[in-house]
Amino acid sequence: GAGVSQSPRYKVAKRGQDVALRCDPISGHVSLFWYQQALGQGPEFLTYFQNEAQLDKSGLPSDRFFAERPEGSVSTLKIQRTQQEDSAVYLCASRRGRGYTEAFFGQGTRLTVV
Amino acid sequence: DQQVKQNSPSLSVQEGRISILNCDYTNSMFDYFLWYKKYPAEGPTFLISISSIKDKNEDGRFTVFLNKSAKHLSLHIVPSQPGDSAVYFCAASGKMGGSEKLVFGKGTKLTVNP
Repeated sequence: GAGVSQSPRYKVAKRGQDVALRCDPISGHVSLFWYQQALGQGPEFLTYFQNEAQLDKSGLPSDRFFAERPEGSVSTLKIQRTQQEDSAVYLCASRRGRGYTEAFFGQGTRLTVV
Repeated sequence: DQQVKQNSPSLSVQEGRISILNCDYTNSMFDYFLWYKKYPAEGPTFLISISSIKDKNEDGRFTVFLNKSAKHLSLHIVPSQPGDSAVYFCAASGKMGGSEKLVFGKGTKLTVNP
């Protein structure tokens, strides 16, 4: 596709429920990032993939958060046993490759845990 | 600990005048800086970037200035237009531990009044 696509756009989960958020990066982009954005804040880094390798997961807030990118393209962010503090917009971004070029963001998934 | 700081949560300017958005950073390992623009319910959109080997980069109405000694950068928009009204995020990147993540500030909401 022309841009980064994320689904679903909106997700309401009951506390304790597991959720899976999907990201389709720009075709051919090898770098993929997940960010979490709380209301009124800037995006906070969660994790980074180079192809299928997860090179940095230092931003994942707990072991309830898990991300994968098995074939180096589509990525899934999974949150187990969701809690209210997980409510945020989850942003995915992709970048052509290593080096300092811009990252392109998707529209995000707004997760609300009730 | 905020490594990238945008100390002005909001800025209001008149159409046709200059908008100046500021950003400070603390980590001297950052060597690439980007500005993103975000409209409500959309993902951040890349605007302009600058490498640490430069002190200025210009693209149309947008100019970014970098002062490495002060660890400060600014985005100038001239002339400002109502369509520029959005939240602007400053982001920084560097080869820190092999990760190429972008570190974001909290954003500045720009309002351009007709």
